[in-house]
Amino acid sequence: GEDVEQSLFLSVREGDSSVINCTYTDSSSTYLYWYKQEPGAGLQLLTYIFSNMDMKQDQRLTVLLNKKDKHLSLRIADTQTGDSAIYFCAETNQAGTALIFGKGTTLSVSS
Amino acid sequence: EAQVTQNPRYLITVTGKKLTVTCSQNMNHEYMSWYRQDPGLGLRQIYYSMNVEVTDKGDVPEGYKVSRKEKRNFPLILESPSPNQTSLYFCASSPTSGISYEQYFGPGTRLTVT
Repeated sequence: GEDVEQSLFLSVREGDSSVINCTYTDSSSTYLYWYKQEPGAGLQLLTYIFSNMDMKQDQRLTVLLNKKDKHLSLRIADTQTGDSAIYFCAETNQAGTALIFGKGTTLSVSS
Repeated sequence: EAQVTQNPRYLITVTGKKLTVTCSQNMNHEYMSWYRQDPGLGLRQIYYSMNVEVTDKGDVPEGYKVSRKEKRNFPLILESPSPNQTSLYFCASSPTSGISYEQYFGPGTRLTVT
């Protein structure tokens, strides 16, 4: 079945770049997503990328998609303490009826 | 304001006592869904609904029921809650009859079953 894998923890210093990586299995996903969850809060859609794109940039966020390797990454430039959160990578299942989430990467930003 | 609302936000209950978590969206969305989030497991889909009166099981439906009598509401029913249903629950909606990039999540309901 579909599966999304991502590393569980990432620790960076304020001002550095953060790169969160994700691999997925379903090559038919039309969109791939990054969600952010701050402590005690709900899910916020950070960004998404259409499957026919290689890269998408949105202010401090850069998403890279390598369809051949089924690899998705999220780069956060100039990481701030407010970026500390759990980041989820997600793809759509083959039926288009559910999001398949990774287990989440906890980003810890120290000043 | 376009939003998905859930009630209650927090609930502590005892094993076997039936409960309902409500979900409502004000965007006239076709698709609605329930997920549960557990530490180390990410989010997993419980049930989804493509439209009124159309519901189907997700990956972890055991112990849950849903109904979709009106387009805006999609309640999650736990007939006989058990401790393994202690979790953080999210409702989501989407304008199309399936997943789209315009998916809205509710704020979550934290349920504890003792």
